[in-house]
Amino acid sequence: KQEVTQIPAALSVPEGENLVLNCSFTDSAIYNLQWFRQDPGKGLTSLLLIQSSQREQTSGRLNASLDKSSGRSTLYIAASQPGDSATYLCAVGSGNTGKLIFGQGTTLQVKP
Amino acid sequence: EAGVAQSPRYKIIEKRQSVAFWCNPISGHATLYWYQQILGQGPKLLIQFQNNGVVDDSQLPKDRFSAERLKGVDSTLKIQPAKLEDSAVYLCASSFDLGGEQYFGPGTRLTVT
Repeated sequence: KQEVTQIPAALSVPEGENLVLNCSFTDSAIYNLQWFRQDPGKGLTSLLLIQSSQREQTSGRLNASLDKSSGRSTLYIAASQPGDSATYLCAVGSGNTGKLIFGQGTTLQVKP
Repeated sequence: EAGVAQSPRYKIIEKRQSVAFWCNPISGHATLYWYQQILGQGPKLLIQFQNNGVVDDSQLPKDRFSAERLKGVDSTLKIQPAKLEDSAVYLCASSFDLGGEQYFGPGTRLTVT
């Protein structure tokens, strides 16, 4: 059974700092991995999708990496801004149906 | 391009009552998902449709929850009767096909009193 863990549960950093969010999963036979952002009371916004054959994806100040052999993914945020404050969720696509298994999220606060 | 639409946005009901949620996916998306997100947790898949067929409903409490996607476009999720532990946000998502990038709607926040 696939399990996804995100550590830490919460993180507070000063504006401008580079930071890394961690995601680990127990079964390396994944279809893809998706990082989402969730603002309070809102739905999920897709940030990056990494297919199982890929090692990383980049979008603006965001870079996500995937290491299937070790069961890990990281989301790197460069030059953090207060607007980056949100909960970040990692989700692993399992099997060939695309079913996503989510971690519990990391709540990020970027202080001005 | 319009996103995933959901209604209502908020619903408050008493336990043992029934409730229904509606979702309209992104146009052309064959796969539709319903997730339940309890406060402080990540979303959990309840049911997944491919066109109008069910792909995965292994975590749907079938004694009280039901869902349909009759014409392969929009979908409804129903709870009857509701329990206190059903209080959560119900999220609908869609993707172009199986395994594709999923796009989420704003969710319906359900409070059962």
